[in-house]
Amino acid sequence: QVQLVQSGAEVKKPGASVKVSCEASGHTFSNYITNYAFHWVRQAPGQGLEWLGWINPVNAVTKYSENLQGRVTITWDSSAKTAYMELSSLRSDDTALYYCARSRLGEPAGHWGQGTLVTVSS
Amino acid sequence: SYEVTQPPSLSVSPGQTASITCSGHNLGDEFVCWYQQKPGQSPVVVIYEDTKRPSGIPERFSGSTSGNTATLTISGTQAMDEADYYCQAWDGSSVVFGGGTKLTVL
Repeated sequence: QVQLVQSGAEVKKPGASVKVSCEASGHTFSNYITNYAFHWVRQAPGQGLEWLGWINPVNAVTKYSENLQGRVTITWDSSAKTAYMELSSLRSDDTALYYCARSRLGEPAGHWGQGTLVTVSS
Repeated sequence: SYEVTQPPSLSVSPGQTASITCSGHNLGDEFVCWYQQKPGQSPVVVIYEDTKRPSGIPERFSGSTSGNTATLTISGTQAMDEADYYCQAWDGSSVVFGGGTKLTVL
């Protein structure tokens, strides 16, 4: 059974960067299985879900939301079976719960992490 | 960027049918899935590929599409169904979520 475990809450000042991790256990890693994606989705307080991007853990191909204007970077550490999401030039409206999730490309995300609260405050 | 629209809220009485719509310009070209999110919890898939129900999801949840509108229907709505519901589609290799619908069971 796939489990996604995320790193703990972060408090950052405006203009700083934050890096959140998502460790995947139970995920089958194979060079022959290339159509999985690890996504990052955020949810501001009282708001809806916003997709940030995804990474394919086999070939490291990424796709990002245009809304983040190049501020988000998603990486994968194969030895640690961990996905990372780094968001730079933080603003107060980046305060949100950040989720990682896994899906096959073109399919819904059936597995989600517990969420990581990122608070941006001076 | 591609936008998908949902009504922000819907209220139903227990036992009634709740229908939540999701509209988008090219929605008819892509599969739509639906997530249920309860307070303090991560989202859970309740419908995928427009009409399919994952194992463990009650039969009262169903999905349908017509043109560029997808609909999540909950028949015989129960108090435990009170939650936020989000539709989601793939726009090429990008993902788009609807704004979410807060379902209240009065």
